[in-house]
Amino acid sequence: GEDVEQSLFLSVREGDSSVINCTYTDSSSTYLYWYKQEPGAGLQLLTYIFSNMDMKQDQRLTVLLNKKDKHLSLRIADTQTGDSAIYFCAEILSGGSYIPTFGRGTSLIVHP
Amino acid sequence: GAGVSQSPSNKVTEKGKDVELRCDPISGHTALYWYRQRLGQGLEFLIYFQGNSAPDKSGLPSDRFSAERTGESVSTLTIQRTQQEDSAVYLCASRFGSQETQYFGPGTRLLVL
Repeated sequence: GEDVEQSLFLSVREGDSSVINCTYTDSSSTYLYWYKQEPGAGLQLLTYIFSNMDMKQDQRLTVLLNKKDKHLSLRIADTQTGDSAIYFCAEILSGGSYIPTFGRGTSLIVHP
Repeated sequence: GAGVSQSPSNKVTEKGKDVELRCDPISGHTALYWYRQRLGQGLEFLIYFQGNSAPDKSGLPSDRFSAERTGESVSTLTIQRTQQEDSAVYLCASRFGSQETQYFGPGTRLLVL
């Protein structure tokens, strides 16, 4: 199976909060990332969390990390139509090459 | 420019032809990565360059794929004798040596007919 798993779709109403979930399997992960990909574009780094942290907040974004369950979530407050995109979770393991393992991405659809 | 750039942005080719994709990393970034993203899929690691060290080619799917990097600058990904299954978005990312975060280019969309 995949090392990083995400649900494929999430639909929310504009103004509501979105929560995108991710599970990973390797306990030696050092960094966990969230990237956003808009249609026809590359990946934009949204935020990341170091594995010794539980939470990180950055404006409308809140990242929660549960190391025991190997569960990562991204909460977007007051979701806007411009937040519609694919969100990728990625983990980087200890070591020198920093080759991340990506999930398949969650398509967030924001409707009025 | 300030970010990672890739060219061409789109490429349509015929099965059996060779293609070259180019990546210009952020200036000063010593590490460079190539990824493939098939439609509806996540990112698949292809190859990694770090400074003057031998590249990590463990993700290349076949010997039709190769990549080069000149020092710590431009990289070229070459696909020989393209097949329809090579159709994908090819993404390049670069990273500053002592940091873990990668910054991505916009990708090259390759369509093999």
